[in-house]
Amino acid sequence: QLVLTQSPSASASLGASVKLTCTLSSGHSSYAIAWHQQRPEKGPRYLMKLNSDGSHIKGDGIPDRFSGSSSGAERYLTISSLQSEDEADYYCQTWGNVIHVFGGGTKLTVL
Amino acid sequence: EVQLVQSGAEVKKPGESLKISCKGSGYSFPNYWIGWVRQMPGKGLEWMGIIFPADSDTRYSPSFQGQVTISADRSISTAYLQWSSLKASDTAMYYCARCQAYGSGTCGFDYWGQGTLVTVSS
Repeated sequence: QLVLTQSPSASASLGASVKLTCTLSSGHSSYAIAWHQQRPEKGPRYLMKLNSDGSHIKGDGIPDRFSGSSSGAERYLTISSLQSEDEADYYCQTWGNVIHVFGGGTKLTVL
Repeated sequence: EVQLVQSGAEVKKPGESLKISCKGSGYSFPNYWIGWVRQMPGKGLEWMGIIFPADSDTRYSPSFQGQVTISADRSISTAYLQWSSLKASDTAMYYCARCQAYGSGTCGFDYWGQGTLVTVSS
């Protein structure tokens, strides 16, 4: 079964970096994912598609501070030089043959 | 510029029917899958289903199969999500999203609508 696992929460200080993790279920380590950001009271915003080899394609207007990487079944979103506007929920998403799955989301607090 | 514009907020009573919409512009609407996603109050994102407007090929999440109907009118670049009999538990924000094809029949969401809030209350 295709499942994505995310930690419920993370925190980091203003100006620091943070690395969020999304883990693919067993047998699905080759799958690409997408990262989406959802600021408080806003709709989701596509950040990037992240492949198993770590290559990624970012959405329109996404700052260079956002980057992605991969290791095995883990997919990472790194945000550097954290700003207050980065405080949001971050969701990973993956897809199979006409099935889509979201992770439970990580709530990022910027201290 | 790719845009997905959804219809406005709705307040309905249990048992009523409802159809909400998502109009795409700035791209070839028929040739991209459009998905629907539910977000219940204070909860995460749930994939409901997806449609290919060119031929109306539609797939549903098992959790939503039989509970909603997804359709599209490619002549007006609009996708729809409808209920025949709403329940209080359908109260949620609903988002549409364009699905960018990545080959082998797969696609991932790359543009989102602004959301439609549906409130079902007696």
